[in-house]
Amino acid sequence: SQTIHQWPATLVQPVGSPLSLECTVEGTSNPNLYWYRQAAGRGLQLLFYSVGIGQISSEVPQNLSASRPQDRQFILSSKKLLLSDSGFYLCARTARGGSPSYGYTFGSGTRLTVV
Amino acid sequence: GQNIDQPTEMTATEGAIVQINCTYQTSGFNGLFWYQQHAGEAPTFLSYNVLDGLEEKGRFSSFLSRSKGYSYLLLKELQMKDSASYLCAVLDSNYQLIWGAGTKLIIKP
Repeated sequence: SQTIHQWPATLVQPVGSPLSLECTVEGTSNPNLYWYRQAAGRGLQLLFYSVGIGQISSEVPQNLSASRPQDRQFILSSKKLLLSDSGFYLCARTARGGSPSYGYTFGSGTRLTVV
Repeated sequence: GQNIDQPTEMTATEGAIVQINCTYQTSGFNGLFWYQQHAGEAPTFLSYNVLDGLEEKGRFSSFLSRSKGYSYLLLKELQMKDSASYLCAVLDSNYQLIWGAGTKLIIKP
């Protein structure tokens, strides 16, 4: 199983509040993990990816950060949310073998609304 | 820069056939994916093409022409449940997925 657990499903947070979204994965060890954001009616924007514990690559400079404290755990955080952080956040992993060629498996997503 | 283009929205009739096109300009090419995404849900994998030609999988087929930077997803015998967004994504030379904005497909009875 390459299941991804992502929570919460929906979240409403005030501007300036902190954020912590957690993603845990099952299946093969040492997966590549990804955090994406999708604004309404838009494509997927890669925020962070990780190829191993403690290894984080950032694609978009902003007030978000990510951490990978364990092989199967990927966390997205913010110290102070902005209105522009609203969107649909998706955690993803490579499907098998660590190679992206096999496709990505996505978690069910978190819909974040910053008010 | 890297760019993937696909139509924003298409409408088709239940039982008919629809073709969703995708053109791409990327730094290298290691394959092209099609994903289906129902409203409010995560994308699900449909197909992967790395060689030129047509790959058929049930009612869905995907075609690739690397020389033209072009792919299409063909959906036959359309059903109401096929109403969704269809995302085209290309794996670039760094094995990172570059995503199109998606095509919203509306199926009418």
